[in-house]
Amino acid sequence: GAGVSQSPRYKVAKRGQDVALRCDPISGHVSLFWYQQALGQGPEFLTYFQNEAQLDKSGLPSDRFFAERPEGSVSTLKIQRTQQEDSAVYLCASSLAGLGYNEQFFGPGTRLTVL
Amino acid sequence: RKEVEQDPGPFNVPEGATVAFNCTYSNSASQSFFWYRQDCRKEPKLLMSVYSSGNEDGRFTAQLNRASQYISLLIRDSKLSDSATYLCVVLNYNQGGKLIFGQGTELSVKP
Repeated sequence: GAGVSQSPRYKVAKRGQDVALRCDPISGHVSLFWYQQALGQGPEFLTYFQNEAQLDKSGLPSDRFFAERPEGSVSTLKIQRTQQEDSAVYLCASSLAGLGYNEQFFGPGTRLTVL
Repeated sequence: RKEVEQDPGPFNVPEGATVAFNCTYSNSASQSFFWYRQDCRKEPKLLMSVYSSGNEDGRFTAQLNRASQYISLLIRDSKLSDSATYLCVVLNYNQGGKLIFGQGTELSVKP
C-alpha cells in the first residue's frame, strides 16, 4: 500500500521567500507529525495533529512557521520569510490513532535549502 | 543538554564484528523506547522497540535500564547492509505522541 508521501522532495528558496511543504499521510491515519532534521542531527519535533486539530505546536521555532491540516488528511507546513537556518530536511510522519503509541511511519522528507 | 544523548560516531567495523551503541535519556517520565534506523538520505524506520526485560530480534539485542536511564543496542555478526545511522528514541505519552530522537550514531561496516 501507499506510504506517507511528501512534496516537493527538494526545494531551493532564496532568503526571504515563503515556502509550502505538503504531506499526504497514510489513508486512515489519525495522527500526523512534522519533524525538522538538520544535517548530522536527529529529527526534532515541530508540531502534531490529531485529525484536523493541532494539539501541540511547541516545537515550531518561530512564528514564521505555520502548519495546517484543514480536513484531517493532507497537511501543509508553511515557512514565511525563509532564513538560512531553516535549511533542513522536513519529515512528516503519520500513525493510526492518538491514544497510546502506534508506530509512526515517516515520509521521504522535503530537503529545503535556503540560499 | 539534549534530552536523548548517544555515543558520537562514526563506528567503523569489519564484517562479522559485534558493535554496541549506548544512549542515555534525561526525562525519567519517558515511557517507551525505540531504536530507529536511517539510511543515507532516507527516512527513519523503526528497527525495534526496547522493553525493560530486554529483547532480541535476530542479530539485534536491545536493553533498557530505567534506573540508570540507559538504553543499548547490540548488533552481532554485522553485515555490510547494517551500515546506517542508528537513532535512539524515547516517548513520553504525557507529551502526546511526539518522538524525542538522539542525534544518531553512524555505523559503517567494511568488508
